[in-house]
Amino acid sequence: AQSVTQLGSHVSVSEGALVLLRCNYSSSVPPYLFWYVQYPNQGLQLLLKYTSAATLVKGINGFEAEFKKSETSFHLTKPSAHMSDAAEYFCAVRNYGGSQGNLIFGKGTKLSVKP
Amino acid sequence: NAGVTQTPKFRVLKTGQSMTLLCAQDMNHEYMYWYRQDPGMGLRLIHYSVGEGTTAKGEVPDGYNVSRLKKQNFLLGLESAAPSQTSVYFCASSYPSGSGAYNEQFFGPGTRLTVL
Repeated sequence: AQSVTQLGSHVSVSEGALVLLRCNYSSSVPPYLFWYVQYPNQGLQLLLKYTSAATLVKGINGFEAEFKKSETSFHLTKPSAHMSDAAEYFCAVRNYGGSQGNLIFGKGTKLSVKP
Repeated sequence: NAGVTQTPKFRVLKTGQSMTLLCAQDMNHEYMYWYRQDPGMGLRLIHYSVGEGTTAKGEVPDGYNVSRLKKQNFLLGLESAAPSQTSVYFCASSYPSGSGAYNEQFFGPGTRLTVL
């Protein structure tokens, strides 16, 4: 069975500082991993996805994530935070069990950006 | 191309009332899903469908029913609403299995449901 764990339910950074949101996964097969962002009172938007083509994945809005098999991690980073990055971020892994192909989500990390 | 749409956006119910949430997608996706989002819990799968006329239970199916009579629509029903069903409901869809883009799911804007 697949699962993801997001470390830290809240992360606060200053504008211009590095953003690091942590995600560790558990999977018995090569995983497909995703990061989604949810702005207040909105739906989920795909930031980036790992599908085994490259270990360093670049996404929208300057975010990127690196797949590290040895650490079973897929941490999300952005070199310089912007106020508009304040949102909740979800890491997810595709479920290989059965035929459903649904995503299994972490519990989310709320990012606050201080001026 | 509207993507995935959900109606209604907001709803308040009294305990015991029933309602249906509608999800529609115009991307010709085979797979459709209903999730619920609760604070600190992430998103959890309620029911899903891998094609027209097929549905199956997810992680938290109790108290919900679904139907997929048309490929583009996926309905979520609450027969007798309970306060524990207060949540934000998201519909999602994805391409057929075997497609390189299969892994990505596209989400609707959500329905905020409050059961009093």
